[in-house]
Amino acid sequence: KAGVTQTPRYLIKTRGQQVTLSCSPISGHRSVSWYQQTPGQGLQFLFEYFSETQRNKGNFPGRFSGRQFSNSRSEMNVSTLELGDSALYLCATARQGEADTQYFGPGTRLTVL
Amino acid sequence: ELKVEQNPLFLSMQEGKNYTIYCNYSTTSDRLYWYRQDPGKSLESLFVLLSNGAVKQEGRLMASLDTKARLSTLHITAAVHDLSATYFCAGVSGAGSYQLTFGKGTKLSVIP
Repeated sequence: KAGVTQTPRYLIKTRGQQVTLSCSPISGHRSVSWYQQTPGQGLQFLFEYFSETQRNKGNFPGRFSGRQFSNSRSEMNVSTLELGDSALYLCATARQGEADTQYFGPGTRLTVL
Repeated sequence: ELKVEQNPLFLSMQEGKNYTIYCNYSTTSDRLYWYRQDPGKSLESLFVLLSNGAVKQEGRLMASLDTKARLSTLHITAAVHDLSATYFCAGVSGAGSYQLTFGKGTKLSVIP
């Protein structure tokens, strides 16, 4: 079956701009979570959506937001980009009950200049 | 708040040797995950451990969970170069939650 898809794969932005990242889950998966990975802070949870509702939110400023559509696809948005937002952004999807395994997408590498 | 600690953070081992990576967590975790990450790549799911005493094996890797000790281990048997990667453990609080809390990862290098 097709895996988790993330677009774009690479992105270069400048400080102050905003960016939108997209995640398409595996068919049948209704939970979509987002993580930020940096060398300094490691993997940190951003938020999780299930059936278009945000279920959990990590400790990130309000510049980070997300949403989920009725087809389970999810987007995350970062406004007023800062240099420290440069990271690999990963989404993970799951179908509740399937041994709770979460499958990660290939990630979007964001560079802020 | 769940905290997850892995050790060691760096591990250089010779091919053919055995070793164990340890993952301690601070509060109750309903599930414990192990992931592998190759450089520049995403995370690949290795194991999900759901209950106390759970043991899972795949090839040269075996993971176990002791919920009383709040400890999971990833044991590597007869390491080969292909196992070189970074291994993460992650816990989750709440039966219905998918909010993973990750350890810092163990960078494993298997040398001939």
